[in-house]
Amino acid sequence: DIVMTQSPDSLAVSLGERATINCKSSQSVLYSSNNKNYLAWYQQKPGQPPKLLIYWASTRESGVPDRFSGSGSGTDFTLTISSPQAEDVAVYYCQQYFSNPFTFGPGTKVDIK
Amino acid sequence: EVQLVQSRAEVKKPGESLKISCKASGYIFTNYWIGWVRQMPGKDLEWMGIIFPGDSDTRYSPSFQGQVTISADKSINTAYLQWSGLKASDTAMYYCTRLEGSRNYVGAFDIWGQGTMVTVSS
Repeated sequence: DIVMTQSPDSLAVSLGERATINCKSSQSVLYSSNNKNYLAWYQQKPGQPPKLLIYWASTRESGVPDRFSGSGSGTDFTLTISSPQAEDVAVYYCQQYFSNPFTFGPGTKVDIK
Repeated sequence: EVQLVQSRAEVKKPGESLKISCKASGYIFTNYWIGWVRQMPGKDLEWMGIIFPGDSDTRYSPSFQGQVTISADKSINTAYLQWSGLKASDTAMYYCTRLEGSRNYVGAFDIWGQGTMVTVSS
């Protein structure tokens, strides 16, 4: 299985202060034949299902604010919230869909100070 | 509107069987993989398996192989997750989700159902 790790476990940021979440996979999730990283980021607010934010490591899902961005390749990835808003309080998960089982990271809880 | 609507919450006793459902609308059901994800209380997301309703090709996570059965009825655009003998440790929220992509490759999980809470208690 590909093991996904995330850091930090939680972070509290001030409104407008950049938030950075790191995700690392135990094996590369870059598929060489199409040069795509099979890595997604999800946001889950309390009492709600997860919501897709980013796929192919850096492609923003339709309707997602442009303050959310994804980067990285191979085994190391980052989700950045450039200017967090109060509504961004949530747990953020990375996930690889490169190979079965499609594993999720343990999540990073983001709070606003 | 593309959506997945799941069946209501269930309370069951250990050993009982259960089948929960996920009805799709707003897109061609047979063209996308559908997956199931477990979230135990206060815990992380766990991918259970996927099915391609067009031909019922099914793939399970090794952790869930033999523990659950995933199926689909394309005549009514509905996917199912079932257990033949529930345990207390099956208590969790279960989400169905649509995978972007096609028959030949899977993508990210772009549409999610609202979740079905399953409680197993004697």
